[in-house]
Amino acid sequence: QVQLQQWGAGLVKPSETLSLTCAVYGGSFSGYYWSWIRQPPGKGLEWIGEINQSGSTNYNPSLKSPVTISVDTSNNQFSLRLSSVTAADTAVYYCAREGGYGGDSYAFDYWGQGSLVIVSS
Amino acid sequence: DIQMTQSPSSLSASVGDRVTITCRASQSINTYLNWYQQKPGKAPKLLISAASSLQSGDPLRFSGSGSGTDFTLTISSLQPEDFATYYCQQSYRSPRAFGQGTKVEIK
Repeated sequence: QVQLQQWGAGLVKPSETLSLTCAVYGGSFSGYYWSWIRQPPGKGLEWIGEINQSGSTNYNPSLKSPVTISVDTSNNQFSLRLSSVTAADTAVYYCAREGGYGGDSYAFDYWGQGSLVIVSS
Repeated sequence: DIQMTQSPSSLSASVGDRVTITCRASQSINTYLNWYQQKPGKAPKLLISAASSLQSGDPLRFSGSGSGTDFTLTISSLQPEDFATYYCQQSYRSPRAFGQGTKVEIK
């Protein structure tokens, strides 16, 4: 049974850096892309970006704050850093696995529990 | 980037009703379309992948259809546990994109 457990600071000051880490337990870490997705309070889901075990990344160009996703394969973990945050970055942040579902179809099939990050001074 | 548009944004329905939610992509995405169910305070849960493949263990009253740009999620007979927000998501290319969500409420 695959489980994703995430953690990080819940309160970040404006202009500082948001940092979250997600650990993967059970299943294989390699062979998948691992994503960060966020959800502002009362709003919809926004994909932030993804990484695989080789460190290959893809990011959503619509994000205003600079994003870095990194991987630690020795511990089956991946991390999110969002720099120069503003109040607009206040959201529940989720980590998720993108699994394969027949042919080259993919979907987010395992999710972390979510972390509420508030950007406020 | 591919934009996903769901309709309606919300709906009120009664237990036993047939419910249909529509998702439209801004360009053709073949059948690279997923549906998620989200309940308050919880992470989204994958419900349907590749437009029409229901996840193992999920009730058969849920079904998905469509290809190209137009997709549908149908709940054949709404049950109390189905009241939630539903999101479509394209996996055709990056950046991945979600629809804005459809909240299904009790009438």
